[in-house]
Amino acid sequence: DVKVTQSSRYLVKRTGEKVFLECVQDMDHENMFWYRQDPGLGLRLIYFSYDVKMKEKGDIPEGYSVSREKKERFSLILESASTNQTSMYLCASSTPLGGRGRAETQYFGPGTRLLVL
Amino acid sequence: GENVEQHPSTLSVQEGDSAVIKCTYSDSASNYFPWYKQELGKGPQLIIDIRSNVGEKKDQRIAVTLNKTAKHFSLHITETQPEDSAVYFCAASRNQFYFGTGTSLTVIP
Repeated sequence: DVKVTQSSRYLVKRTGEKVFLECVQDMDHENMFWYRQDPGLGLRLIYFSYDVKMKEKGDIPEGYSVSREKKERFSLILESASTNQTSMYLCASSTPLGGRGRAETQYFGPGTRLLVL
Repeated sequence: GENVEQHPSTLSVQEGDSAVIKCTYSDSASNYFPWYKQELGKGPQLIIDIRSNVGEKKDQRIAVTLNKTAKHFSLHITETQPEDSAVYFCAASRNQFYFGTGTSLTVIP
């Protein structure tokens, strides 16, 4: 079974703090993703990575950065946390796109609920 | 980009009844349509998926139908049980995933 783990289930931080959210997957997946989940808005893509040291912006990258130094680990960084970054953060991983741009299943971690005060 | 709409946002059914959740999408190039179940305090878990070359797929009490012409797909849960209570998300994808806003399903014992 695919396992995606996230370093914290709950985090409370203060405005202006630097926040690191860690994600590790054990299935040797090339692709990793960071989403935030907010009521009524569903899941929105922040950043994704198709390979080590590679990153691409998603739909809402402002205020975030990422790091992928190892294949199994993908970190989300909030350089200076703000209250509007209070949210549930979900990490996911998948194999690469299949033939003819065929999308592949994404497997999610349990999420980190971040509260910024 | 893709736009996925999901209805209803909340759904209550009696145990044993069927539940249907519907999604529409805008990008005709989308070719993969997964459904996820998210229980309280957990991450989304894939429950069933369908690709654009298939019209229907079943897995025990769960089925998904896809109408490519109309650009909509639906999740059907039969003989619902209290443990089916959760939030369900649809998604449409060609490469990037685009998610619906979720349906909170409550199965009343």
